[in-house]
Amino acid sequence: RKEVEQDPGPFNVPEGATVAFNCTYSNSASQSFFWYRQDCRKEPKLLMSVYSSGNEDGRFTAQLNRASQYISLLIRDSKLSDSATYLCVVRVNQGGKLIFGQGTELSVKP
Amino acid sequence: GAVVSQHPSRVICKSGTSVKIECRSLDFQATTMFWYRQFPKKSLMLMATSNEGSKATYEQGVEKDKFLINHASLTLSTLTVTSAHPEDSSFYICSAKVRASSYNEQFFGPGTRLTVL
Repeated sequence: RKEVEQDPGPFNVPEGATVAFNCTYSNSASQSFFWYRQDCRKEPKLLMSVYSSGNEDGRFTAQLNRASQYISLLIRDSKLSDSATYLCVVRVNQGGKLIFGQGTELSVKP
Repeated sequence: GAVVSQHPSRVICKSGTSVKIECRSLDFQATTMFWYRQFPKKSLMLMATSNEGSKATYEQGVEKDKFLINHASLTLSTLTVTSAHPEDSSFYICSAKVRASSYNEQFFGPGTRLTVL
């Protein structure tokens, strides 16, 4: 079983749509959770950290369910510029290595 | 935010040659740098963790004699792909963690695209 597993993509959605990405992780000792965004042929960039209580940043909402070892990212009112690959990332301990999911590609069409 | 640079951004080389990639933290000191590899349509896979002044820690399956890592200063880590072969063609990305800080975000370099002919 992969350590971090994401929805297979790609997701093709029209502008303005709401899209949700799911992610599961296998190590129950994982402590930190993130969503990164990676554009084609570029480095990953931190989109947002994910907190136990859930958190929101504009059109983006992240949620964590530790009991189910499940993380989600919701994008509302999607824009063309949201087109990218979204990476679910987990860290087991402070200062430890980041473990990346395989990524889910999102394509927002006009 | 913190800036990490990589050089070169792109390299094409013949099979059998060695290629050195530099990773620099430009405006902060990084005791720890990480080296990742990403194949097309795949996720980033950690290759090794590089600590300043000590030997790198390699992930399982990564040959330390093939991928030489040197972290000589708090702002520079290098990855040398020795005797590169076509299967080493990949996107190599480094990241750096801010020194002595409770802030644990890693800052990624822009990546180096290696093509071995």
